[in-house]
This record gives sequence, C-alpha cells and structure tokens, in this order.
Amino acid sequence: AQSVTQLDSQVPVFEEAPVELRCNYSSSVSVYLFWYVQYPNQGLQLLLKYLSGSTLVKGINGFEAEFNKSQTSFHLRKPSVHISDTAEYFCAVSFGSGNTGKLIFGQGTTLQVKP
Amino acid sequence: DAGITQSPRHKVTETGTPVTLRCHQTENHRYMYWYRQDPGHGLRLIHYSYGVKDTDKGEVSDGYSVSRSKTEDFLLTLESATSSQTSVYFCAISENRVSTDTQYFGPGTRLTVL
Repeated sequence: AQSVTQLDSQVPVFEEAPVELRCNYSSSVSVYLFWYVQYPNQGLQLLLKYLSGSTLVKGINGFEAEFNKSQTSFHLRKPSVHISDTAEYFCAVSFGSGNTGKLIFGQGTTLQVKP
Repeated sequence: DAGITQSPRHKVTETGTPVTLRCHQTENHRYMYWYRQDPGHGLRLIHYSYGVKDTDKGEVSDGYSVSRSKTEDFLLTLESATSSQTSVYFCAISENRVSTDTQYFGPGTRLTVL
C-alpha cells in the first residue's frame, strides 16, 4: 500500500539553529513529492515540490528538500530557523503518472522555534 | 494567494442537525476538493469535483455529500452531523488533476459537533 510517514510529530529547536523535518514514503510506482506549511489558523501553503530532475529542491522562506529514491525519503531542511517558521509542516505524495492527482498527506510535524 | 474563501469559518452545531459548508473560488479552476484535518491523521480527502455537477468520493466520504452547481462554488453537506465529524475542513482547488499539479487551499472551517 502507498503511504507517507512523517517521523516526528513535534520538533523543538532554538532560533538560528538548523532543522530537518523527516518524511518517508512507501510506493512501488513513480512519485511526486510536496511540502506544505500551515501557519496557525490558516490554510496550507506550498513550500516546495519535487517533480523530476535535480534531487535538491529549493522552496520559499529558505527551505530546501532532497529527494532520495533509494531511501524513499524527502526530508525538509533549513540552515537557520526564525521564530516566524513556527508552524505545522506536511509532507504529501502523489503517486503514479497520468490523471490521478491523488494527494496523500503525512501526519504533520509541528516545528516549534524557541527564542 | 489563490482566491479561495470558505464559509462559515467557525461553526458549533448539535448532533443530528444538517450542516453545509461552502467553498468559493475566483480562479476558475476546474478541480475542487474537500479535506478534513484531524490530529495524527494529516489531511484526508472527503470528496472532489472535476466540473459542474461532476463529483466523486474520496477516502473518507461516509456521512458527507457534495454539490457543485457552478464552477466557483463547491458545497459540503453533513446530512446529520455526528461528534466524529468534529474537525477542521479545508477546501482546495487545482487547475488539473494530474499527479504533478499543485493544490491551493482555503483558510479552513472549524466545525464542532456537540
């Protein structure tokens, strides 16, 4: 079965420290990968997505993610976080090619940036 | 920001009452989706629409119905609300329904069923 797992439900980190939010998926077909961010009391906003090509993808607000096919992972990183990065982050995966468009979300990781 | 609004933004209702949530878009996107967000589950698809009067079920469709009479509006109805339907509901839109397409989300509706 196809699934997405975010390995950490909460990640506390101090301001200006680096952070990595982990995402693993399970699939026997090709995948397209997304990271969304949800600020408090708001909807989800796309941070970045991997479709093909370079495995290192850069997104908004200084975030980047690396697609690792052998480890079936798509971890999100930022070298130096700010208080304003406090939010919930969702990894999402779309499986297969063609007109499917089905998006499967991970459980979410809450990033808590402390001063 | 994509032009997506949801109404109401908050609602408290009682078990057994009908509830309708509205999603309105100004982007003229063909595809519209309803998700629910629950702690520990991420977002799960309830129903989606691929055009006016064209809808289909998602993974958690039991107890929900939808309608789309105009491109810009997608309604989610709980015919007889239950406490298990207490959740945050998000509407999303996309131009296409291919695996590479980005979905854009509304601000959400927090529904509490007492």
